[in-house]
Amino acid sequence: GESVGLHLPTLSVQEGDNSIINCAYSNSASDYFIWYKQESGKGPQFIIDIRSNMDKRQGQRVTVLLNKTVKHLSLQIAATQPGDSAVYFCAEVSGGYQKVTFGTGTKLQVIP
Amino acid sequence: GAVVSQHPSRVICKSGTSVKIECRSLDFQATTMFWYRQFPKQSLMLMATSNEGSKATYEQGVEKDKFLINHASLTLSTLTVTSAHPEDSSFYICSALVGQGRGYTFGSGTRLTVV
Repeated sequence: GESVGLHLPTLSVQEGDNSIINCAYSNSASDYFIWYKQESGKGPQFIIDIRSNMDKRQGQRVTVLLNKTVKHLSLQIAATQPGDSAVYFCAEVSGGYQKVTFGTGTKLQVIP
Repeated sequence: GAVVSQHPSRVICKSGTSVKIECRSLDFQATTMFWYRQFPKQSLMLMATSNEGSKATYEQGVEKDKFLINHASLTLSTLTVTSAHPEDSSFYICSALVGQGRGYTFGSGTRLTVV
């Protein structure tokens, strides 16, 4: 349903520290998950994805973990930089790539 | 590769008028496109899914007669907000399925303000 009236949770981290952003998804039939980064006034930007038959995937400075038992997804950012400051959304994909549902989002603030 | 160009980036219109937003896939064929609306400090809410040559599938609560979606070609989808009201003011974003296993790419969004 719609998250009307809610404010984005905020995660503040010191520059150079690692960040962990969490997401709970709802559909156990979702077969693909994606993390997006959105800067103010812009469209979402792809970060990393993971299929439901995997539990971990690593990219450059980012790692996504998937726990299907508890329907939980996390994004780990290593050595967080000021340029990482943005809102991060997880998205779950189902219905043969025909349905993409976004999570509520987390605002990451990097403290220089 | 896999770029979606969305225009306009900002539009201000008077209440009661209609506004058209365009999304073009520049270097791939977009058989499936999605339209989202995003209010400040909130997530993206899916409005409708359109497949080229077919009628769009609207999410529950989205008025199909108010938000007209046309996906007549593999490279162009349009969203027309008809008889716009101030409560339609929002950030509208399109997205295209690049291909199964290749994910989705998003437009840069359109900030609509209805006065």
